[in-house]
Amino acid sequence: GDSVTQMEGPVTLSEEAFLTINCTYTATGYPSLFWYVQYPGEGLQLLLKATKADDKGSNKGFEATYRKETTSFHLEKGSVQVSDSAVYFCALSQNTGNQFYFGTGTSLTVIP
Amino acid sequence: SQTIHQWPATLVQPVGSPLSLECTVEGTSNPNLYWYRQAAGRGLQLLFYSVGIGQISSEVPQNLSASRPQDRQFILSSKKLLLSDSGFYLCAWSVTFIYNEQFFGPGTRLTVL
Repeated sequence: GDSVTQMEGPVTLSEEAFLTINCTYTATGYPSLFWYVQYPGEGLQLLLKATKADDKGSNKGFEATYRKETTSFHLEKGSVQVSDSAVYFCALSQNTGNQFYFGTGTSLTVIP
Repeated sequence: SQTIHQWPATLVQPVGSPLSLECTVEGTSNPNLYWYRQAAGRGLQLLFYSVGIGQISSEVPQNLSASRPQDRQFILSSKKLLLSDSGFYLCAWSVTFIYNEQFFGPGTRLTVL
């Protein structure tokens, strides 16, 4: 069945460091891919998405490219800030279904 | 614009007591609705989803049940809470068959003592 595998955390970075959080997926066909962010005590917010191969989603300095050849959707940011500290979830959905498949989440802490 | 509400925001309940969590969506019609649970430091577990009034699909056998009495209302219930029911409960909605992007509510923190 469909699934998402995310890089294990927690991740701790210094402010202005480069961030990569790896995400790979297993799915039939052409799913849509998403990154969500969860700040402490809050629900999940959509960070970015890509709906077809080679699409790049971007938002708030974060980017991820839908790579069908490597079945990956890695999240990157060139210079992280303390305010980026949160848990990040990779997810996929099939356009013909009603379900999401989430990764286990990666906790990021950015220290000044 | 669409908004999603959950209440209560926090809840502390004794073992064996009943539970009712409510989720409502505004600004859209006939959404898909979802209940997730997030245990401390863990990922998301899909509990239930609904594609319409009275239509509930359960993902895992458990102590909980869900109902959808109105188009934009989704309720999570239990007759007798267990310690293992503690967690962060998230409601979400999506538009049917359009990339299934999900929008989440603010969540309910449930502690069972």
